[in-house]
Amino acid sequence: EVQLVESGGGVIHPGGSLRLSCAASGFTVSSNYMTWVRQAPGKGLEWVSVLYTGDHTTYYADSVKGRFIISRDNSKNTLYLQMNSLRVEDTALYYCARGDIRGYYYGMDVWGQGTTVTVSS
Amino acid sequence: QSALTQPASVSGSPGQSITISCTGSSSDVGSYNLVSWYQQHPKKAPQLIIYEVIKRPSGISSRFSGSKSGNTASLTISGLQAEDEADYYCCSYGGDTTVGVIFGGGTKVTVL
Repeated sequence: EVQLVESGGGVIHPGGSLRLSCAASGFTVSSNYMTWVRQAPGKGLEWVSVLYTGDHTTYYADSVKGRFIISRDNSKNTLYLQMNSLRVEDTALYYCARGDIRGYYYGMDVWGQGTTVTVSS
Repeated sequence: QSALTQPASVSGSPGQSITISCTGSSSDVGSYNLVSWYQQHPKKAPQLIIYEVIKRPSGISSRFSGSKSGNTASLTISGLQAEDEADYYCCSYGGDTTVGVIFGGGTKVTVL
């Protein structure tokens, strides 16, 4: 079964760091465009970051650029999001999602259940 | 890059058809056939229901259809059913790899 399972969320103080994990099964993370999308409480979806196949090209939303790092461990078939210098406005449910093999902007067809990050003093 | 514009809510009676609009710009929706739509039920993850403007993933009901005219994409749900009550989000390629994808603000569909 094709599945994504996120973990690593929690409550953290502003300025702190957290690493989210997204374990994949039923397909290979390194062969797909993998993304993180977040949803603040009661709000809509916001694209956060993407990791391309092959050459490890990465892109980030302006709101997290310079603070977040997306990566993967092929041996564990797992995607990560290292979040540094966290702000209150980073509070959200974080989803990982699989992008179309041609590019994630063609559509994201597999989503995890999400992991919650709360940044609060 | 600004979020795509969707109506906050749309409602309809069972069996009716409803249409949700998604307005972007000539830099995103208007320039690329890379609009997708996602359905999200409460407390659930989003689900892809339309991609590349008009295509449906395997297993998605034919009651869902997509279209585009100029800078505005649309999602039509025909034969509205109670299970269609959910939030719907459009998404478009932002026109530049550094921009990524842009989501709409979401539309709450209520089945009366």
